[in-house]
Amino acid sequence: DAKTTQPNSMESNEEEPVHLPCNHSTISGTDYIHWYRQLPSQGPEYVIHGLTSNVNNRMASLAIAEDRKSSTLILHRATLRDAAVYYCILRNSGGSNYKLTFGKGTLLTVNP
Amino acid sequence: DTGVSQDPRHKITKRGQNVTFRCDPISEHNRLYWYRQTLGQGPEFLTYFQNEAQLEKSRLLSDRFSAERPKGSFSTLEIQRTEQGDSAMYLCASTGKTVNTEAFFGQGTRLTVV
Repeated sequence: DAKTTQPNSMESNEEEPVHLPCNHSTISGTDYIHWYRQLPSQGPEYVIHGLTSNVNNRMASLAIAEDRKSSTLILHRATLRDAAVYYCILRNSGGSNYKLTFGKGTLLTVNP
Repeated sequence: DTGVSQDPRHKITKRGQNVTFRCDPISEHNRLYWYRQTLGQGPEFLTYFQNEAQLEKSRLLSDRFSAERPKGSFSTLEIQRTEQGDSAMYLCASTGKTVNTEAFFGQGTRLTVV
């Protein structure tokens, strides 16, 4: 699986936007970029995914670089409930096995 | 449907004992996955079922580990002769039949081997 690189930790203030970066320089043309987050003592939770174009949903936005070698997860107004570990994962579109390869992710701290 | 359920949520066992965990996926999902997560690490893939067939097993799944999914519904993960290194969170996830856009995870079973 292609590898992703994320900062170990980031800090934000409540109600401010948060930009979580991810580098994936070895991404292939058929790799989708997925983001999951894991709140304390919970299982991971799907956030968003995309291939080439920027994506928006009720939780977040995903901005994908033109060369697809990096992406940024954007939380428009951070709340205390957004404090979690955020994982950027590449998943190949082929096959029916939705196996996910997690790295260590970015621990997001949100200050009140 | 309330999502993926795992039982028990916590298990403390003595070294050498056998333990079994259960996972109930979302009812219409035919694909089920087990992961293991140790402190400070992301989840690691263990095994994958499509219906009742176990189609992939990680090298992390030693001979002491066995997983089943009879009738393609719930799944069990058994660890025999537990070791302290087996202490971890065991997570179950499921995905549906059509376009796999996301996986739904349970809250996990935290195993402590003493």
